[in-house]
Amino acid sequence: GAGVSQTPSNKVTEKGKYVELRCDPISGHTALYWYRQSLGQGPEFLIYFQGTGAADDSGLPNDRFFAVRPEGSVSTLKIQRTERGDSAVYLCASSLGRDSTEAFFGQGTRLTVV
Amino acid sequence: TQLLEQSPQFLSIQEGENLTVYCNSSSVFSSLQWYRQEPGEGPVLLVTVVTGGEVKKLKRLTFQFGDARKDSSLHITAAQPGDTGLYLCAGLPSGGYNKLIFGAGTRLAVHP
Repeated sequence: GAGVSQTPSNKVTEKGKYVELRCDPISGHTALYWYRQSLGQGPEFLIYFQGTGAADDSGLPNDRFFAVRPEGSVSTLKIQRTERGDSAVYLCASSLGRDSTEAFFGQGTRLTVV
Repeated sequence: TQLLEQSPQFLSIQEGENLTVYCNSSSVFSSLQWYRQEPGEGPVLLVTVVTGGEVKKLKRLTFQFGDARKDSSLHITAAQPGDTGLYLCAGLPSGGYNKLIFGAGTRLAVHP
């Protein structure tokens, strides 16, 4: 497909486990964003990549959260020692470049920590 | 910290009625966007307003950006059941890139 793809769609994990969430952006989009949407809330910014580098990671809640984008395309959000409070929908978005104001969102990964 | 407050949080109306959703902040944004989100999907961009006082129309939807670029409204005329969904406003601070600040959303239900 031509849109942003996120896998898995749903992930249930036990408290304390490690999880990885994957995002395939639109081909050619150099900017990639991760947001987190808790129940009944709007998305909250986590991290922004321009190319391979994390240009702004100010939204990551703590050092259990980490994201990479090694080849400037696919990105992985990694969460260590998951907690029940990490349960949310994790959204990925991409845009053509830093100055593009239109971001395209994936369908999200619903993470449930039990 | 820049915040966006949306109201109302929930709205349940009958088909054919008009409605307005508000998005307010004490901060100035370089632009403001409105998104619609369906269950199990990501937000989809409806419109971007950039200039203070700007009005944009998208069929039965009218979007307005406040003169001071701190607030915005979405007005829907003659709502249809297909308009049902979560409407999110998002502010783009100055400085570029899409570090969007979202409101909590307005959940709209339009009944036939």
